Amino acid sequence: DQQVKQNSPSLSVQEGRISILNCDYTNSMFDYFLWYKKYPAEGPTFLISISSIKDKNEDGRFTVFLNKSAKHLSLHIVPSQPGDSAVYFCAALSLGNEKLTFGTGTRLTIIP
Amino acid sequence: NAGVMQNPRHLVRRRGQEARLRCSPMKGHSHVYWYRQLPEEGLKFMVYLQKENIIDESGMPKERFSAEFPKEGPSILRIQQVVRGDSAAYFCASSMQGRDTEAFFGQGTRLTVV
Repeated sequence: DQQVKQNSPSLSVQEGRISILNCDYTNSMFDYFLWYKKYPAEGPTFLISISSIKDKNEDGRFTVFLNKSAKHLSLHIVPSQPGDSAVYFCAALSLGNEKLTFGTGTRLTIIP
Repeated sequence: NAGVMQNPRHLVRRRGQEARLRCSPMKGHSHVYWYRQLPEEGLKFMVYLQKENIIDESGMPKERFSAEFPKEGPSILRIQQVVRGDSAAYFCASSMQGRDTEAFFGQGTRLTVV
């Protein structure tokens, strides 16, 4: 019963180009969606979030898009940099039920 | 301003032993969450605690696992009689009340059961 899905286990992108990471969900009751970045042997680091009432949130090189009708969100990183190489987790949260539900992650590799 | 501190970073236990994982939340944070990441999988919620209270333990296995967050001291995740399948990375996160959409994670404890 995977409520948050990241169907691409890995992605390789040339430095300077745009990285697009995708995430699908099945539970329409989620209120917030979050992206976390994780380096090996470290904990996840919060990147950016979006409320379910919005369709876009931008923070520097990172933009998250939410398509509620398709139950789909994506993280855009532009321009991609070598330090962006990490595993990216999509997560969702229902207010009042404070646990995060994570996807299985996408390993992003930026090619110099 | 230390972040979320977890110790030990690595823990090796023989089958049947007990494992104790500790988590000190960020200063001012009163909410603690434990997650487990099995190899090649995402993080799975285990338990959500506030000081002296378990709020949601719906992700905790019914047996052998327990968690506490006492009034003083760190949160403890305790696994009794460990088995090979308990080998995983265990992450703790903390947040301030009302700001749970930006929980901060510790570096994790990697438990290996041999």
